[in-house]
Parts: sequence; structure tokens; C-alpha cells
Amino acid sequence: KNEVEQSPQNLTAQEGEFITINCSYSVGISALHWLQQHPGGGIVSLFMLSSGKKKHGRLIATINIQEKHSSLHITASHPRDSAVYICAVTYNNNDMRFGAGTRLTVKP
Amino acid sequence: KAGVTQTPRYLIKTRGQQVTLSCSPISGHRSVSWYQQTPGQGLQFLFEYFSETQRNKGNFPGRFSGRQFSNSRSEMNVSTLELGDSALYLCASSLEWGLTDTQYFGPGTRLTVL
Repeated sequence: KNEVEQSPQNLTAQEGEFITINCSYSVGISALHWLQQHPGGGIVSLFMLSSGKKKHGRLIATINIQEKHSSLHITASHPRDSAVYICAVTYNNNDMRFGAGTRLTVKP
Repeated sequence: KAGVTQTPRYLIKTRGQQVTLSCSPISGHRSVSWYQQTPGQGLQFLFEYFSETQRNKGNFPGRFSGRQFSNSRSEMNVSTLELGDSALYLCASSLEWGLTDTQYFGPGTRLTVL
């Protein structure tokens, strides 16, 4: 069983829609990362958080430590947001586990 | 600042051979981590180096090894290649070690084992 669960696996949205991607993990973590991967393979780190909420432009990431859950929100989605979004967690500062990813397609 | 670079970008090898991949981190970053990405297993953590020492290691066989040089550049070696080693190998650099710092990823090396 994957220790990091993401939902949904696939998501199709219309341009302008508000999008939420969820991530759950099983045990206490040192940090949680949200990554974006475009076709071709390049990965960009969007957020690294261990508590609370972070915002960058149209992207917002939240984490609830007690519930072991994080969400990535995209406001006013745009076709250029189409990518795979991956949640990753760091355990005990010495191991990193990844979710299977959420494939987002935003249609104009 | 230049980003993380990886060489080569593409590589084709045959079973039983060995391969060495290279990663140059962002200037000033002393931690380099390596990851394997396959369609079946997704992304998996291989190991992390900091100040020329392996600090953390994922669950991979001993055929996978690495090292880091005094200029923070890192190499990863896979010996006795198997078909299942075909993957995208990514490295990432960060300021501090412990996998709790923002990871800056390179473009990856796509390895095909025939």
C-alpha cells in the first residue's frame, strides 16, 4: 500500500475553475512537498510545508498535521496549469515517499 | 543562477553493463539527492549526499551507488544493469540536507536498458 495517497488520479477542468488536489499520508512527517511535472519530465517544486498554509500566485497549499492531510488549490485555472501534480512527504528527515500523482488537464 | 544540470540526457545500455550519471547542483547547494521514476513505481528516493557523505538511502539494491565530490557535483552508478532499471533518473539539489529543504530538480537522464 502506498504510504502517500493522492486524489483524484485524473482531473479535467475548464479554464477559470477552482481546483483542489488532495494528499493523505499515514504517519508523522518532517515535511510535505508539492511538485509539478510537465510532459518531458521536468519537475518543479511548488511548495514545501510542515504546517499551516502557503500561497504563491494562484496556488495555495495547506496542511493539517492532526488529520495527516494536505491540499493543493489552484484558483482561476489556466491551460498552462495542465501537468502532473505530485505530493511527496519526508519521513524522519531521512526518507522521501511520493504519491502516484494527479494528472490535471485544463481546457480552454 | 544556473539550474541543476544532468548529463547525459539520454542513454542506451544493454543488460549487464554499468552506467554512470552526473549531476551538477545549483551553485552554493551542498545537498544532492537522486530519484528514480518509472511508469510502474512512480518516483522513488535513491539517496542523498551532503558534504561528500551519503546521508540517507532509499530501498534500492547495492547495485545502485553514488558519490559526491568536493565541489558538490554528484555521480550515480548502476552496475549490472537490468531491464527494470530503465527509467528517468532525476537529481535535485538543496541548501541543506535532510530532505526538508526545497528541492530543485534537474531535467533528468532517461536510461533505456535493452
